[in-house]
Amino acid sequence: SQQGEEDPQALSIQEGENATMNCSYKTSINNLQWYRQNSGRGLVHLILIRSNEREKHSGRLRVTLDTSKKSSSLLITASRAADTASYFCATDTGANSKLTFGKGITLSVRP
Amino acid sequence: NAGVMQNPRHLVRRRGQEARLRCSPMKGHSHVYWYRQLPEEGLKFMVYLQKENIIDESGMPKERFSAEFPKEGPSILRIQQVVRGDSAAYFCASSAKTVGAGELFFGEGSRLTVL
Repeated sequence: SQQGEEDPQALSIQEGENATMNCSYKTSINNLQWYRQNSGRGLVHLILIRSNEREKHSGRLRVTLDTSKKSSSLLITASRAADTASYFCATDTGANSKLTFGKGITLSVRP
Repeated sequence: NAGVMQNPRHLVRRRGQEARLRCSPMKGHSHVYWYRQLPEEGLKFMVYLQKENIIDESGMPKERFSAEFPKEGPSILRIQQVVRGDSAAYFCASSAKTVGAGELFFGEGSRLTVL
């Protein structure tokens, strides 16, 4: 079964707005990562947040982690049309050193 | 510094044929992961290898699928006697150390179509 489940499944916003995507997971984790995938391409790592961290920033990205609720959120501020892509959260439980991915969120940013 | 290289990018096979997918990890990376992605789905873990060793193959079907990462050369994912259900994008990723400490670098994928 999927460890990470993203929500919503699809999100459509206007350029300049903020986009918030959520991820819930089931078991304890070592870290949680967010990846981006453009159509027909491979995944690109965006940001990693460790289990002892609560918030992390990278440029226009802000990630939060709530281990008590087993959830994470990815905020993209001041979105651009080029942010249109699928976004995946991935959890590392540390048990056997593999990342488990959710089904992803399709973000469309309208120019 | 070249990224993760996968080939072929697209592969068409008829049912019953064999598919071989190759992956060259980033320079200096000794950990390789294979994932499968169906349309509109996330990535499903298949196998994790280090040089000459399979570390975790819990996501790989027991029959028809095999993977290797030899001392020299790329990692190979081999699918024998392909069926239509094998049609998917297969992604390879590499890392310099075990995932617990860092990120994965992905290739552009190999898209297998079984006729």
